Amino acid sequence: GAGVSQSPSNKVTEKGKDVELRCDPISGHTALYWYRQSLGQGLEFLIYFQGNSAPDKSGLPSDRFSAERTGGSVSTLTIQRTQQEDSAVYLCASSTSGTGPYEQYFGPGTRLTVT
Amino acid sequence: AQSVAQPEDQVNVAEGNPLTVKCTYSVSGNPYLFWYVQYPNRGLQFLLKYITGDNLVKGSYGFEAEFNKSQTSFHLKKPSALVSDSALYFCAVRDIGVGNFNKFYFGSGTKLNVKP
Repeated sequence: GAGVSQSPSNKVTEKGKDVELRCDPISGHTALYWYRQSLGQGLEFLIYFQGNSAPDKSGLPSDRFSAERTGGSVSTLTIQRTQQEDSAVYLCASSTSGTGPYEQYFGPGTRLTVT
Repeated sequence: AQSVAQPEDQVNVAEGNPLTVKCTYSVSGNPYLFWYVQYPNRGLQFLLKYITGDNLVKGSYGFEAEFNKSQTSFHLKKPSALVSDSALYFCAVRDIGVGNFNKFYFGSGTKLNVKP
């Protein structure tokens, strides 16, 4: 079946603009995660959704970052008033459930460049 | 605090030789442990996981990993490296202790270079 998809694959934006990144998880996966990866480095956890529960937003770096997940499926990560330090690859992952020994399946990522 | 350490930024090995990529972890409870691989300009791909039972787990592409509870390690191994194994490898842990199960904690990654 289809894997996790993300769009756009690349996004170049000017400092101060808002951007929206989209993630379409694997059908039926109740858990969805967003991460940030800078220059091939480690993954920085941003936010986690599990079913209809309140999301775990503990990793969001500032109030310029927000995310929503509509209908328990597609998720959108929004970055307002982008800064150059926001430049990174944003990875989305989904999992069968957030409460079990289930691995994550990752999308290809969105490469964000803030000029 | 939960954490994962990959002490080597880079591992170099000749094709045909065995390889080991190291990972140690610190969690408050019992862990689920995972290895992922990332090829250039790609997302992460799941390789293998340890849940419970046999300490040696086998995964994709001939990789295996050994869980060592006393040393809190989960090293990734392969008996004979291939040039195509060259990639970035991430260890991850999920703490199944109450209140902590939401998150995966990832190591900083180890770049594996396999030379012909």
